[in-house]
Amino acid sequence: NAGVTQTPKFQVLKTGQSMTLQCAQDMNHNSMYWYRQDPGMGLRLIYYSASEGTTDKGEVPNGYNVSRLNKREFSLRLESAAPSQTSVYFCASSFPQSGTRIGGELFFGEGSRLTVL
Amino acid sequence: GENVEQHPSTLSVQEGDSAVIKCTYSDSASNYFPWYKQELGKRPQLIIDIRSNVGEKKDQRIAVTLNKTAKHFSLHITETQPEDSAVYFCAANHYGGSQGNLIFGKGTKLSVKP
Repeated sequence: NAGVTQTPKFQVLKTGQSMTLQCAQDMNHNSMYWYRQDPGMGLRLIYYSASEGTTDKGEVPNGYNVSRLNKREFSLRLESAAPSQTSVYFCASSFPQSGTRIGGELFFGEGSRLTVL
Repeated sequence: GENVEQHPSTLSVQEGDSAVIKCTYSDSASNYFPWYKQELGKRPQLIIDIRSNVGEKKDQRIAVTLNKTAKHFSLHITETQPEDSAVYFCAANHYGGSQGNLIFGKGTKLSVKP
């Protein structure tokens, strides 16, 4: 039982390059999330997927796209990376408390440190 | 939308002392308030949470209190130990449309000096 696995752990990009962060969970959770963490800014939600087949914008979605490939996998894509996207990215998953209400514990991956030059 | 303010941003205590971290939220519809601990270089992990139908919850040396009227909640750590040193994040759930998500505070870096 690996929990939440995200790849790559480290990546350096040049401005304008594209890349995809991959995330997979083996806990049979319905909901998955992508957060970014910047010094002094806490964890900010980029996109989330309450269930397979749905995705929604979070606080800071600009410059990102996501795909909920199936129940296990949720990827985050940067189409044209910018220095402002230098950050640590965390994928997380949870099992909603009831119905579509999200209130369950978030299980985070180990994080992906992205640097855009 | 929901806004979560967390104070202080840094906190230094002596081993054995108590530590208190406070958060306020803006959305009166929020009903779930978790606290996450993040050790240096590690992932955030849930340490305790509280729902709006209770005012206090304890788990050994940690406790969380909630004041719904004032829209604030606090984390209390008693008998602090060096291994409590970490960044602590509060959060509140926010409902947008038919779905919800967690909004986090900016974190409190707790240092426990031996």
